[in-house]
Amino acid sequence: GAVVSQHPSRVICKSGTSVKIECRSLDFQATTMFWYRQFPKQSLMLMATSNEGSKATYEQGVEKDKFLINHASLTLSTLTVTSAHPEDSSFYICSAREAGLTRHGYTFGSGTRLTVV
Amino acid sequence: GESVGLHLPTLSVQEGDNSIINCAYSNSASDYFIWYKQESGKGPQFIIDIRSNMDKRQGQRVTVLLNKTVKHLSLQIAATQPGDSAVYFCAETTSYDKVIFGPGTSLSVIP
Repeated sequence: GAVVSQHPSRVICKSGTSVKIECRSLDFQATTMFWYRQFPKQSLMLMATSNEGSKATYEQGVEKDKFLINHASLTLSTLTVTSAHPEDSSFYICSAREAGLTRHGYTFGSGTRLTVV
Repeated sequence: GESVGLHLPTLSVQEGDNSIINCAYSNSASDYFIWYKQESGKGPQFIIDIRSNMDKRQGQRVTVLLNKTVKHLSLQIAATQPGDSAVYFCAETTSYDKVIFGPGTSLSVIP
């Protein structure tokens, strides 16, 4: 089946630094990837939709200059949390949708636990 | 960003019993629905899906029911096992675009 690899799985960074999270589709091409954030005991909140070769579409209330998304290839999207602060500590999860999809599946990565100290 | 709900309701069931997890969705234009299972510290795992032109779909030990009139989804798990303990999310999408998650339900199976 389709596999999405997310890296790193855990990261601790100092306040004010930037962190990059990678999302890779391993055995399929993904024209669209989605980035979510999840706080403890809450649901997944969609942050942005990442389209290969074009700018990401951000959900209302999500700062695009703080959460930089790049989808440079059909198998890789990255999320960079810039100037991270403790309130950015969360579980970040990506999802990929296969290009030319005939079956309608969304595959999720295993998530990245970000802790800002 | 879009989100639904802030606190996880919980459901406790005895091992071997059937579980029913309910979900109200928000967008009447949604045409595809998915149930996910999420274990602690992991990403969501696909369980079963249903399109809006159906009202029931069965998988292995799981059944999804869709009532478009009242915008309600349910997930039924037969003969619940300890390994079923997790958080369950319903999710909706329109024209297979972005997937929006519901608030989730924490299922706890009592041995």
